[in-house]
Amino acid sequence: KNQVEQSPQSLIILEGKNCTLQCNYTVSPFSNLRWYKQDTGRGPVSLTIMTFSENTKSNGRYTATLDADTKQSSLHITASQLSDSASYICVVSRGNNRLAFGKGNQVVVIP
Amino acid sequence: DVKVTQSSRYLVKRTGEKVFLECVQDMDHENMFWYRQDPGLGLRLIYFSYDVKMKEKGDIPEGYSVSREKKERFSLILESASTNQTSMYLCASTPRGGGYGYTFGSGTRLTVV
Repeated sequence: KNQVEQSPQSLIILEGKNCTLQCNYTVSPFSNLRWYKQDTGRGPVSLTIMTFSENTKSNGRYTATLDADTKQSSLHITASQLSDSASYICVVSRGNNRLAFGKGNQVVVIP
Repeated sequence: DVKVTQSSRYLVKRTGEKVFLECVQDMDHENMFWYRQDPGLGLRLIYFSYDVKMKEKGDIPEGYSVSREKKERFSLILESASTNQTSMYLCASTPRGGGYGYTFGSGTRLTVV
């Protein structure tokens, strides 16, 4: 079964601190891995997309890493801001328009 | 800027009503998708369409149907709404090859009472 597991399920961090979210997957074959940010009540917005050959990709204060050998990815948030409070969803594509979704990491940033 | 637009942000319907959720994209994408998102379950694929008048069942198609009469528009239909269809519904689209163009709409929060 194609699965995407994210951890931790939720976390609370102080404004200005860094945090790292984890995504492990068993999806095969693998086409690309995406991280989305979803604000409460809104649709997911793409942060990064990585293919098999990419190890790291940044989008502002967000940096994603990918280890295709171990089938692990992480999303690092640097110097967190209150606006980073959201759900972060890891999505893995098999390349046939069918995606496997993680259940999300719920991040709450407090002042 | 590319856009996927869902016609309603919030919708409240009664049990047994026929419900239409509309999605329009302006990117000339071939593929369009409908998902529902529930706490603890993540996003689940209901139906997708890879061309006008073409459709395929996703993982949870029961109780839903879809219509794609024009390339830019993909409608999700609840023939007889039930309370277990209360959920967040998300539309998405992507070019034929998939790749980098997967874009979501803002979502429709449907409540069936």
